Amino acid sequence: QQPVQSPQAVILREGEDAVINCSSSKALYSVHWYRQKHGEAPVFLMILLKGGEQKGHDKISASFNEKKQQSSLYLTASQLSYSGTYFCGTERQAGTALIFGKGTTLSVSS
Amino acid sequence: NAGVTQTPKFRVLKTGQSMTLLCAQDMNHEYMYWYRQDPGMGLRLIHYSVGEGTTAKGEVPDGYNVSRLKKQNFLLGLESAAPSQTSVYFCASSYLGEFTEAFFGQGTRLTVV
Repeated sequence: QQPVQSPQAVILREGEDAVINCSSSKALYSVHWYRQKHGEAPVFLMILLKGGEQKGHDKISASFNEKKQQSSLYLTASQLSYSGTYFCGTERQAGTALIFGKGTTLSVSS
Repeated sequence: NAGVTQTPKFRVLKTGQSMTLLCAQDMNHEYMYWYRQDPGMGLRLIHYSVGEGTTAKGEVPDGYNVSRLKKQNFLLGLESAAPSQTSVYFCASSYLGEFTEAFFGQGTRLTVV
């Protein structure tokens, strides 16, 4: 079952912040986040296992709320290079295939 | 290190024709996946494999078959192509275990007319 991402699209100016959410109706083992630039392959950003640990990657961080089965991706002080489509992928058990959401398109302008 | 390589990169098929998409990875990954990407639909899992000789259905397996005869290769077959199979197809692979990211190929753009 596909996780639900919100919002569908975000428009930002450089330096602004954004939050992208990913939720599931089923219990999750892990949540992955990927970014895809137009015409390119998705690229891995980070992974969170159940337990609520927050991980970071430069000015991009994420959290996983196990009680709500929801993950949030935080982009702070956005840069032009952050533009793209962000996908969350979820695993219900260790070692099962990733199921992706429909994506959130982020546009950052100067 | 090539990573994940998909062949071909572009293809146009006529309705009813068959074809095979090849995915090859040189990272000795156990897991391999085939996804299709359509506008507004995200990445949808077609089939996947957790090891040589094993395959499993994903979210949208109808109309596709797969084989993994060698650990490094994962083939996606369309026996009788339909316009609804027009899409961008991505192959991905990953290690078995925790904290394992998926590496994607560059995609195959398939048009069925």
